[in-house]
Amino acid sequence: DTEVTQTPKHLVMGMTNKKSLKCEQHMGHRAMYWYKQKAKKPPELMFVYSYEKLSINESVPSRFSPECPNSSLLNLHLHALQPEDSALYLCASTLGLAVYNEQFFGPGTRLTVL
Amino acid sequence: ELKVEQNPLFLSMQEGKNYTIYCNYSTTSDRLYWYRQDPGKSLESLFVLLSNGAVKQEGRLMASLDTKARLSTLHITAAVHDLSATYFCAVGPTGANNLFFGTGTRLTVIP
Repeated sequence: DTEVTQTPKHLVMGMTNKKSLKCEQHMGHRAMYWYKQKAKKPPELMFVYSYEKLSINESVPSRFSPECPNSSLLNLHLHALQPEDSALYLCASTLGLAVYNEQFFGPGTRLTVL
Repeated sequence: ELKVEQNPLFLSMQEGKNYTIYCNYSTTSDRLYWYRQDPGKSLESLFVLLSNGAVKQEGRLMASLDTKARLSTLHITAAVHDLSATYFCAVGPTGANNLFFGTGTRLTVIP
């Protein structure tokens, strides 16, 4: 298995909802990442987990809450989002945090906040 | 603050023509990646460049890295319509684990 999967593919939520995005990989990778990509813009790093521990938090608002229950799974819990949070959310994984590791991206979840 | 700039931002070219996309970055880095993204899709890894002078080729695309000039190029040879997509370079600062993406180049190949 050489892919990163993400669910759901599309999500529409209101500003008072609580939802979660899920990312899974079975490549034995020990580092996982969340990126946010607005339309026609490059991806921006949000969080990095290494060996299930949060390694990098790029000053992301607390309405985004990441969770890494095990080495294969990464969640992003969403609460009280704003319309400007609508974007494509990409998950990626690497073998480890060693700087030369290539990132493998999932297909993304397209989020719309009403 | 690390800056990664690509040019051009938009590129419209005819099939069969050659062109080069440039990626300049503002900090020391020993690794650079090129990705392709189709509309509404995720990122597909094209090239991983890990050393000064590295050159890699796949089909009609060739990428190179000059770490001294802080410059990478993506050269397109004899373009075909299937190459139409947005191309991103991404830079990993020396000693850091995260990636910074360039502004992207939206390529349209016209039959």
